[in-house]
Amino acid sequence: NAGVTQTPKFRVLKTGQSMTLLCAQDMNHEYMYWYRQDPGMGLRLIHYSVGEGTTAKGEVPDGYNVSRLKKQNFLLGLESAAPSQTSVYFCASSYQLAPTARAETQYFGPGTRLLVL
Amino acid sequence: QKEVEQDPGPLSVPEGAIVSLNCTYSNSAFQYFMWYRQYSRKGPELLMYTYSSGNKEDGRFTAQVDKSSKYISLFIRDSQPSDSATYLCAMVQGGSEKLVFGKGTKLTVNP
Repeated sequence: NAGVTQTPKFRVLKTGQSMTLLCAQDMNHEYMYWYRQDPGMGLRLIHYSVGEGTTAKGEVPDGYNVSRLKKQNFLLGLESAAPSQTSVYFCASSYQLAPTARAETQYFGPGTRLLVL
Repeated sequence: QKEVEQDPGPLSVPEGAIVSLNCTYSNSAFQYFMWYRQYSRKGPELLMYTYSSGNKEDGRFTAQVDKSSKYISLFIRDSQPSDSATYLCAMVQGGSEKLVFGKGTKLTVNP
C-alpha cells in the first residue's frame, strides 16, 4: 500500500503559467481533499470530493479547479498561477468522516511545494 | 471568533518533560476530536482520536476532551527529541464532510 501519493514534489512556476497537481490513493477511500498550508495560517481546505465525479468548494477555492474522474485520483489545477499561490499543498483521503468516523480519519500525502515567481 | 483556536507556540522543553498542548473551540456540535503530528517537510499523520468527552491514553500520549468547556488537550509524558514536531488539533461534527483544524503548535524537545 502506497497510501496517498502526490506528484510532483516540488515545482517552480512563473506568474500566469498553469499546472496540475495529481493526488492518488490506493485505500479505496470515498472522500478526498486538497489543502494548502502557509506559515501562520494552518491548513486551509481548497476543494474536496465525496465520491467519484463530485467536487465541492472549501474555504479558499478561488484560483483553483479540481476534478475527480476516477475514485483513486483527485486533480488540482491552477489555470493562471499567482505569487499568492506559493504554498505547500497537501492532499488527503478518508472514509466517511462522521457519524461513522473511524480512527483512520484522514490520511495525508507528503505534500507538493509550489513556488510562483 | 475562529471555530478552533490553538496557540502556535513555539514551545521548547527539555527531554523528559511533560508537555501539554491545547485547543479551544466554539462549535458545540463537534463530536470527534483528533490530534495530528506533522514532522518538518512531511504530511500530517493521525496521532490520537477521541469521540465525545473523556480521556484516551496511548503509551506516552493522553488526549482529553472537555465538551462542557469546549477544550481539548494532548499530554506527552517523558517527552523525547523525536517528539519534536508541529501538533495540530482537528475536530468534526456528526454528518460533516470536513475536518476543522487548529493552526498547530510547534514543539521542540531539547536533549
